[in-house]
Amino acid sequence: GAGVSQSPSNKVTEKGKDVELRCDPISGHTALYWYRQSLGQGLEFLIYFQGNSAPDKSGLPSDRFSAERTGGSVSTLTIQRTQQEDSAVYLCASSFGGAHGYTFGSGTRLTVV
Amino acid sequence: KQEVTQIPAALSVPEGENLVLNCSFTDSAIYNLQWFRQDPGKGLTSLLLIQSSQREQTSGRLNASLDKSSGRSTLYIAASQPGDSATYLCAVKNAGNMLTFGGGTRLMVKP
Repeated sequence: GAGVSQSPSNKVTEKGKDVELRCDPISGHTALYWYRQSLGQGLEFLIYFQGNSAPDKSGLPSDRFSAERTGGSVSTLTIQRTQQEDSAVYLCASSFGGAHGYTFGSGTRLTVV
Repeated sequence: KQEVTQIPAALSVPEGENLVLNCSFTDSAIYNLQWFRQDPGKGLTSLLLIQSSQREQTSGRLNASLDKSSGRSTLYIAASQPGDSATYLCAVKNAGNMLTFGGGTRLMVKP
């Protein structure tokens, strides 16, 4: 596609439920990031995928968070047993390697009630 | 470990002023530096991308410069308008395609 697509754009879930957030990167992009942004806060790094290398999971805040990138393309961020503090906008970005810049999706706004 | 700092954290100017936003980074071994704009509750929009071999990039009223050796970049906005009000973020890309963001500058342009 022309850009990075994230779905859903908005998600309201009850505390304790599991949620899946999807990111469709630009075709051919080898690098993919997930960030989280709480209201009024900066970007919080979550996880980074680069090609076939093992992902950098150092930003995941707890073991309730996990992410996959299947076939080097679509990525899914899963949050299990959601808590109210998980409420935030979750942003995905992708890039070719080397000198290319990153393109961000519009994000998924997650609200845990 | 790359660290990126943006100064000032917030800026309020009257409409029509020219302004400069600053970004500094600690590791000069970068592929490129990217300036983004973020409107409240929205995603990031790429404004300018400067390669490590370049000194500056221009787009309309925006001009970004890069001094890799000193670890600095500036974003110059000419003739600011209320519609320029947003948070401006710089990010550097290092080896392994790692992306490191600064904390952002919140800009308010008053009519």
